[in-house]
Amino acid sequence: QVQLVQSGAEVKKPGASVRVSCKTSGYTFTSCAITWVRQAPGQGLEWMGRISVSNGNTKYAQRLQGRVTMTTDTSASTAYMELRSLRSDDTAVYYCARKSPVTQVDYWGQGTLVTVSS
Amino acid sequence: QSALTQPASVSGSPGQSITISCTGTSSDVGGYNYVSWYQKHPGKAPKLMIYGVSNRPSGVSNRFSGSKSGNTASLTISGLQAEDEADYYCSSYTTSSSLVFGGGTKLTVL
Repeated sequence: QVQLVQSGAEVKKPGASVRVSCKTSGYTFTSCAITWVRQAPGQGLEWMGRISVSNGNTKYAQRLQGRVTMTTDTSASTAYMELRSLRSDDTAVYYCARKSPVTQVDYWGQGTLVTVSS
Repeated sequence: QSALTQPASVSGSPGQSITISCTGTSSDVGGYNYVSWYQKHPGKAPKLMIYGVSNRPSGVSNRFSGSKSGNTASLTISGLQAEDEADYYCSSYTTSSSLVFGGGTKLTVL
């Protein structure tokens, strides 16, 4: 069965960087893209961007341009999301999700809480 | 890209039907048949309920259905059950090749 398992919770200081990993299994990693979505406390879902695993092409949300980088390691079937220059309003649960050509964003990781606090 | 517009809350009694709307523009909802709906319980990951406007993934109850007219998509849940109480989010592909979500709707089963 398709599974996406994310790395554990992180606590960071303002200005620092965080990298969240997303290990996939149960499907051919290169056949789908990986999307990243976050949810701040009490807020809705926010699309952060996606990476096409087959060719490495990325598309980022405009408001995060310059601070976010998405990468993949095909040998490990794992995706990564790095967010730099963290601010308090980056405190959120970060999700990775599979984007398939047919069902679009379908399977999700369990979420990773990133807390930014001095 | 502005978020899609959803009602903040809806409610219904067990057995009833409810509909949640999701309004966008011709640059997102109205321009593509790539509208999805997600169910989200607190502390859990979102679960895909509808994709491609009206398609149900395997394992999702047929009590859930989706439709679209112009720039507005809708999710209908029939035969409401207590377990349906959750937040629901719509999403759509956009002309800028991005994804946009609605603000979310809290469904209360009375």
